[in-house]
Amino acid sequence: QSALTQPPSASGSPGQSVTISCTGTSSDVGGYNFVSWYQLHPGEAPKLLIYEINKRPSGVPERFSGSKSGNTASLTVSGLRAEDEADYFCYSFAGSTYVFGTGTKVTVL
Amino acid sequence: QVQLVESGGGVVQPGRSLRLSCAASGFIFSNYAFHWVRQAPGKGLEWVSIVSDDGSNKVYGDSVRGRFTISRDNSRNMVYLQMNGLRVEDSAIYYCAKDRYGSGGTPHWWGQGTLVTVSS
Repeated sequence: QSALTQPPSASGSPGQSVTISCTGTSSDVGGYNFVSWYQLHPGEAPKLLIYEINKRPSGVPERFSGSKSGNTASLTVSGLRAEDEADYFCYSFAGSTYVFGTGTKVTVL
Repeated sequence: QVQLVESGGGVVQPGRSLRLSCAASGFIFSNYAFHWVRQAPGKGLEWVSIVSDDGSNKVYGDSVRGRFTISRDNSRNMVYLQMNGLRVEDSAIYYCAKDRYGSGGTPHWWGQGTLVTVSS
């Protein structure tokens, strides 16, 4: 199972929006609704931001939103804040196994 | 609140074995599936394995299938990962993660991880 493809980096100024793409195939992202997004800060446990394409767990700000079109999922972070600077990984069910994306480092300028 | 604490990591020689443990608390343990996910130094996340709520269904990633075994003890609120035939490329932080559901789908809560280093 190959990793889902994400851009290595993305950036934006405080208050701006940044969108991260996650491209897979019809055997993973395109075939199922179990698509999630995770935020990783160095030295901390990963945090679930979005699950089932566009649902937010309790406590996750509305600034984080998810969507999917075909084999590509997207995470949008609106109103960028300094604390959003982190690594972001997408994740998808792939039939019987699961697969993560390659990861995107978001920098807040 | 949900708490997951991994243990059992350490330095081990190639070809040897190690067993990781994950102690869970703060929720009804037997209602949820659990995953193991790893992150090699400077690399991304890699999904390793999942065990269903009752332990009847276990699935493994391609890179560990046949070498690693996941298990759980619902009477002790524990999840385990038995790792045999360890390779240098298995070196990583190993995270235990509680799924949102009993059959799997979304790792939700994660522990802080335990570091495994495979080196001669």
